Amino acid sequence: DAMVIQNPRYQVTQFGKPVTLSCSQTLNHNVMYWYQQKSSQAPKLLFHYYDKDFNNEADTPDNFQSRRPNTSFCFLDIRSPGLGDAAMYLCATSSPKGGIANYGYTFGSGTRLTVV
Amino acid sequence: AQSVTQLDSQVPVFEEAPVELRCNYSSSVSVYLFWYVQYPNQGLQLLLKYLSGSTLVKGINGFEAEFNKSQTSFHLRKPSVHISDTAEYFCAVSRSNDYKLSFGAGTTVTVRA
Repeated sequence: DAMVIQNPRYQVTQFGKPVTLSCSQTLNHNVMYWYQQKSSQAPKLLFHYYDKDFNNEADTPDNFQSRRPNTSFCFLDIRSPGLGDAAMYLCATSSPKGGIANYGYTFGSGTRLTVV
Repeated sequence: AQSVTQLDSQVPVFEEAPVELRCNYSSSVSVYLFWYVQYPNQGLQLLLKYLSGSTLVKGINGFEAEFNKSQTSFHLRKPSVHISDTAEYFCAVSRSNDYKLSFGAGTTVTVRA
């Protein structure tokens, strides 16, 4: 099945040690998003790529960066993870170019990040 | 910018009873509306969405929602819940001229036998 795949499902990293989370998609969607979801909270948009164009949310800390080397893959880099960065990170895709009939967002299963 | 308000943070309900989860939104432009369900340590699964057309939308697992433009609401309903419906439910909105999804705070549904 076409889908959004996130690896790994669970990631443990040390305080201050850079970590990368990955997301891949087989839907050929042109927009990819990264959301941060802390415990018992709503997902919060960090940034998104519209094709190759990177769009950062105004309140996303500089500690968070992203790369999209091609249509299928998108990475979330946390340069110096702090204890407050422990969360579920969700990748999502959408295809506004596909027209309204099929418009929507597809989410991956998430990566649970623990900072020790 | 749009915002989403889920009026109930927790909804306890008995098995086979009906449930309604309330969602209101605010936006200066027309919107697309979504309901997602999230089970523990899982991603978000789409229950249903309203893009245009009929205001009554039917989704998976027996859920339905009604878009009410005058009341800016998109309440989710299920006539008879199961234990397996215990989960977190998120209402979300994106503007018709935008493609960013914003979420409400979520409603925790706990179904008891």
